[in-house]
Amino acid sequence: EIVVTQSPAALSVSPGERATLSCRASQTVGSNLAWYQLKPGQAPRLLIYGASTRATGIPARFSGSGSGTEFTLTISSLQSEDFAVYYCQQYNNWPPSMYTFGQGTKLEIK
Amino acid sequence: EVQLLESGGGLVQPGGSLRLSCAASGFTFSSYAMSWVRRAPGKGLEWVSGFSGSSGSTYYADSAKGRFAISRDNSKNTLYLQMNSLRAEDTAVYYCAKSPGPTLLSYYFDYWGQGTLVTVSS
Repeated sequence: EIVVTQSPAALSVSPGERATLSCRASQTVGSNLAWYQLKPGQAPRLLIYGASTRATGIPARFSGSGSGTEFTLTISSLQSEDFAVYYCQQYNNWPPSMYTFGQGTKLEIK
Repeated sequence: EVQLLESGGGLVQPGGSLRLSCAASGFTFSSYAMSWVRRAPGKGLEWVSGFSGSSGSTYYADSAKGRFAISRDNSKNTLYLQMNSLRAEDTAVYYCAKSPGPTLLSYYFDYWGQGTLVTVSS
């Protein structure tokens, strides 16, 4: 099983500043990595797939980068609605039971 | 607009059963693979089970094999998860999630529901 590790577990950032979240896979997943945003009581939202492609309707301040085992989600200028928990997920291996998520990064207001 | 609405969660005793439902709208349900993903309290997301839209194949996490059964009714645009022999560690918010294609192969989840809470406790 591919282990996906996110860091940091929590991140405090002021509105308007940049946030950088990391995701590391225990073995290469190519570009088969997605990022999701979770807010309490809301449906999770797909932000990025293919490591760097923004999903439909996602603002340009969200960007993804990386390939292989190291990935980054960058939020260029934090808005109040961006404070949430972020998860990465690799979907490289088969069967889908091998599609593993990271433990999440909680992005908090500083 | 794609919408996924889960229902059927609740409090159940260990060893009990529940059936979750996910009503889908805004897309051609039969053409897409669908999954259940859960988030236990204080833990991360865990894929539980999936159903291919094209082949009718079903898949399960090891934690769900032999206890959970996924099904879909394309005429009702609804996905189900029958959960039997429930354990305390099955306590979680269960989300219905859509894949962007007909299979689960190399796919992420492009739309999710808001989730339904399952609590397994005596």
